[in-house]
Amino acid sequence: NAGVMQNPRHLVRRRGQEARLRCSPMKGHSHVYWYRQLPEEGLKFMVYLQKENIIDESGMPKERFSAEFPKEGPSILRIQQVVRGDSAAYFCASSPGGRTEKKLFFGSGTQLSVL
Amino acid sequence: GQQLNQSPQSMFIQEGEDVSMNCTSSSIFNTWLWYKQDPGEGPVLLIALYKAGELTSNGRLTAQFGITRKDSFLNISASIPSDVGIYFCAGPSTSQGAQKLVFGQGTRLTINP
Repeated sequence: NAGVMQNPRHLVRRRGQEARLRCSPMKGHSHVYWYRQLPEEGLKFMVYLQKENIIDESGMPKERFSAEFPKEGPSILRIQQVVRGDSAAYFCASSPGGRTEKKLFFGSGTQLSVL
Repeated sequence: GQQLNQSPQSMFIQEGEDVSMNCTSSSIFNTWLWYKQDPGEGPVLLIALYKAGELTSNGRLTAQFGITRKDSFLNISASIPSDVGIYFCAGPSTSQGAQKLVFGQGTRLTINP
């Protein structure tokens, strides 16, 4: 009963390094969403992807952040040249898609700490 | 963009008490979802509402889709320690691109044994 799998659970990076966060959606789900959560706050939408396509990246910072969901393998959220303000919990969610399917299923998140 | 406002922001109650929280929006939503987040974990879907006026239960949890489509309520009866966590409402937003879920800021529930 594999749910949404994210790894690593915890990631420590020094300022200027790159962070790569991985997400494998639930079996049968072809839509992936990435959210960011700062302490004591709600989840903020970053990007919505389908296989090999970015559908909506309106919540993603214009610089240093990128996301992909290749034909094979997990979705990757990549943060280049990390800064302290990037420290947050990053959650991936998946859905089977379709106009009527609005429910998202979330992974356990990756806690990114930038030193 | 579309925003969801949850109240109260936090609640401190005694075990066994009933809990009520709500979520409001300035714009209409056609779906309301309620999630619960435990510390260090991702949100877990509790209840989904698809029709104005709909009342749906999941065990001790009951949620209602407001008639105006601009609000939703979540009630928890006879609270127990494992109900501790943060409760988020969410709804689909189409502002700025494709449809995706937007979340309220959460209601943090603390239970005194």
